[in-house]
Amino acid sequence: DGGITQSPKYLFRKEGQNVTLSCEQNLNHDAMYWYRQDPGQGLRLIYYSQIVNDFQKGDIAEGYSVSREKKESFPLTVTSAQKNPTAFYLCASSRLGANEKLFFGSGTQLSVL
Amino acid sequence: DAKTTQPPSMDCAEGRAANLPCNHSTISGNEYVYWYRQIHSQGPQYIIHGLKNNETNEMASLIITEDRKSSTLILPHATLRDTAVYYCIVSSDTGRRALTFGSGTRLQVQP
Repeated sequence: DGGITQSPKYLFRKEGQNVTLSCEQNLNHDAMYWYRQDPGQGLRLIYYSQIVNDFQKGDIAEGYSVSREKKESFPLTVTSAQKNPTAFYLCASSRLGANEKLFFGSGTQLSVL
Repeated sequence: DAKTTQPPSMDCAEGRAANLPCNHSTISGNEYVYWYRQIHSQGPQYIIHGLKNNETNEMASLIITEDRKSSTLILPHATLRDTAVYYCIVSSDTGRRALTFGSGTRLQVQP
């Protein structure tokens, strides 16, 4: 089945630790995105990428890093510089072009121990 | 991208039509209206989008006013599975393409 796979579903981070969230898609989409969602809130854009080896900061990129070495993969690292990392993280992908809809993964819930 | 305003919550009886409003009074000529919904603890799901004409698909209908300053998403026969947060988004789809999701409307379908 085609889709977006995020892993793990739940992740715990210790103080001062970097953690990496995985996002893989087999939809052959060029664009991929990372969003953060806090309880009861909307989604806020962290990073996005429209092509391999290129990505742009979103509205809340501080404390996060990404890479796009393969078209299918867009991992997100939550660094120790992110002081409030507890949130629900969503990855999405889309084709490039006008009015292409976003396809979302099922999310990763990150909590701090 | 233009900002949108939605009521924070709405109730609807099962089997009845759910009409979800969205105001986007600062929308510009090349901006589209998109609707997504998010069922609890899942990723958002695309529903429908439009520019100025009314649109219908298997999930819903989108009614955009003539001046394009507001729109309504209609779920014709709401079911319990339609309970979700519904996001109305306006985007020109040019330049930075990532959509901005506000807080949305939490629709509760009652049995």
